[in-house]
Amino acid sequence: DADVTQTPRNRITKTGKRIMLECSQTKGHDRMYWYRQDPGLGLRLIYYSFDVKDINKGEISDGYSVSRQAQAKFSLSLESAIPNQTALYFCATSDWTGGNEQFFGPGTRLTVL
Amino acid sequence: AQKVTQAQTEISVVEKEDVTLDCVYETRDTTYYLFWYKQPPSGELVFLIRRNSFDEQNEISGRYSWNFQKSTSSFNFTITASQVVDSAVYFCALSEANDYKLSFGAGTTVTVRA
Repeated sequence: DADVTQTPRNRITKTGKRIMLECSQTKGHDRMYWYRQDPGLGLRLIYYSFDVKDINKGEISDGYSVSRQAQAKFSLSLESAIPNQTALYFCATSDWTGGNEQFFGPGTRLTVL
Repeated sequence: AQKVTQAQTEISVVEKEDVTLDCVYETRDTTYYLFWYKQPPSGELVFLIRRNSFDEQNEISGRYSWNFQKSTSSFNFTITASQVVDSAVYFCALSEANDYKLSFGAGTTVTVRA
């Protein structure tokens, strides 16, 4: 089984709808991250969490919110989806040791019509 | 300011040619980590290598090799004798010791033609 899983893998929705993307991990890592990928821009950090009680905004947090329900679960919500949030979304985890190697989920492709 | 620059947007080669991907980074930290990830057409991100700022030794792994030069703030990646399966987007990324976030470059799309 994959260490980092994301659901759903693909989602098409309409403008104004509320969407939740879920991430679960079995690596036992404390740190979890949400990124979005747009063509030509690489991956950009939306939110990150270093433990259950710690939530931090990344460089592009506007329009998004997150919830860290447990060490293993980190959800990303779009309260009112808009077309420019169409992107590929990745969840990642890392532990506290030096090096910050991050382990990525398979990605969620979101299309907002 | 962008911390990681991958100036090459796309590279197209014929199978068996060598291809070098450039990565230039910017940081004021003395301790930092550099990464390369591969994203094949299926979309997942595959970790290739991590290098810390204190280790400037070049590394070779099969057909892959990496050249880290602190003097030019570069961490270049070479695929030797490329194969069609090497076709992917390749990302360079930087993590600063006090930050623990990854800053990604924009990626370089490599197409290897048979």
